[in-house]
Amino acid sequence: QKEVEQNSGPLSVPEGAIASLNCTYSDRGSQSFFWYRQYSGKSPELIMSIYSNGDKEDGRFTAQLNKASQYVSLLIRDSQPSDSATYLCAVKKDSSYKLIFGSGTRLLVRP
Amino acid sequence: IAGITQAPTSQILAAGRRMTLRCTQDMRHNAMYWYRQDLGLGLRLIHYSNTAGTTGKGEVPDGYSVSRANTDDFPLTLASAVPSQTSVYFCASSAGVNPDTQYFGPGTRLTVL
Repeated sequence: QKEVEQNSGPLSVPEGAIASLNCTYSDRGSQSFFWYRQYSGKSPELIMSIYSNGDKEDGRFTAQLNKASQYVSLLIRDSQPSDSATYLCAVKKDSSYKLIFGSGTRLLVRP
Repeated sequence: IAGITQAPTSQILAAGRRMTLRCTQDMRHNAMYWYRQDLGLGLRLIHYSNTAGTTGKGEVPDGYSVSRANTDDFPLTLASAVPSQTSVYFCASSAGVNPDTQYFGPGTRLTVL
């Protein structure tokens, strides 16, 4: 079992719809959770970080964390074609500097 | 402009050759990291450094070495390159454990023939 698991996709949604990206992790000691967006041929860029159970909203993005169920999700409202990218989930234990990445979910937003 | 720079942007290398990938950050971040990214495997940590003068091994350290002589620079060396080291290499940095957000450089695409 991978430490951080994501469906590779592609997840295809129409423009204006809500895209829902999911991530599960195996280590209950994980404390910090991140979503990165990576366009093809580019480096990962941070979208959201979340540390506590519940929802965290930033513009069109909402991160949701459920530590009991060991999953973290990213919702993108009013999806745009420019949101088409690979979304990487990353998890960190509090006592470590190390980030463990999932293999990413490719999102396609159809015009 | 603040951020992380990497050099070279891309490189084709003969197997057995020695290669150093350079990474420099100007954000005065304490921690720096090297990842490789391969299709289907995501980002995997090679080596990291919590602060200048210290380094540690990540998930896939074999065949790679690093040094951290100062805060800004974190070079990655392949002593004798092999084809399985063909990958895209990303350098990243973070201020520390808290805040712990990692910021990535533009990457180096390395091909070992």
